[in-house]
Amino acid sequence: NAGVTQTPKFQVLKTGQSMTLQCAQDMNHEYMSWYRQDPGMGLRLIHYSVGAGITDQGEVPNGYNVSRSTTEDFPLRLLSAAPSQTSVYFCASSRLPQGNYGYTFGSGTRLTVV
Amino acid sequence: EDQVTQSPEALRLQEGESSSLNCSYTVSGLRGLFWYRQDPGKGPEFLFTLYSAGEEKEKERLKATLTKKESFLHITAPKPEDSATYLCAVGVTGANSKLTFGKGITLSVRP
Repeated sequence: NAGVTQTPKFQVLKTGQSMTLQCAQDMNHEYMSWYRQDPGMGLRLIHYSVGAGITDQGEVPNGYNVSRSTTEDFPLRLLSAAPSQTSVYFCASSRLPQGNYGYTFGSGTRLTVV
Repeated sequence: EDQVTQSPEALRLQEGESSSLNCSYTVSGLRGLFWYRQDPGKGPEFLFTLYSAGEEKEKERLKATLTKKESFLHITAPKPEDSATYLCAVGVTGANSKLTFGKGITLSVRP
């Protein structure tokens, strides 16, 4: 049982480059979300989805795009990378309604923009 | 605006020295309060969900409690393997599964 799989684990980008962070889950969870984690800031919500074809913005959506064409996958796209997007990115999923189980998180992608 | 504040930011304990971590919250309507553990270089791992004031949950050396304004994570006789960052998050009614996280408390337990 893989849970939530994120790729890549590490990435270095140059300012202005674009890339896609991949997230896949095999638990048939309806809800999926992307957070970024920065020192002293905690986890902040970027975008989330409550099902295939449905996405919405979180607290810090600027500079990021998402789409959800299947239940399993929820990629995060950086359109034009900036140094301020240097962070650790986590994908998380859960059932709807959430119940007692909280989120299942991936292991994270550490992104450095130079 | 929903807010979650965790204190202290960091805590160093001697093995066997019991203590408590605090999570205070301000939300329009609490759907649930969640505790997670995060080890360095890994994603957060779910520990507990609490729904109403007075509720308590336990797991090994950890016990989580909830009041109308705050939650405590009590650690009894901690061991070095309990060293981690502990995250608190709140879910708000009407907000689907969105969670708002605190900044976390880094716990170090010395042998």
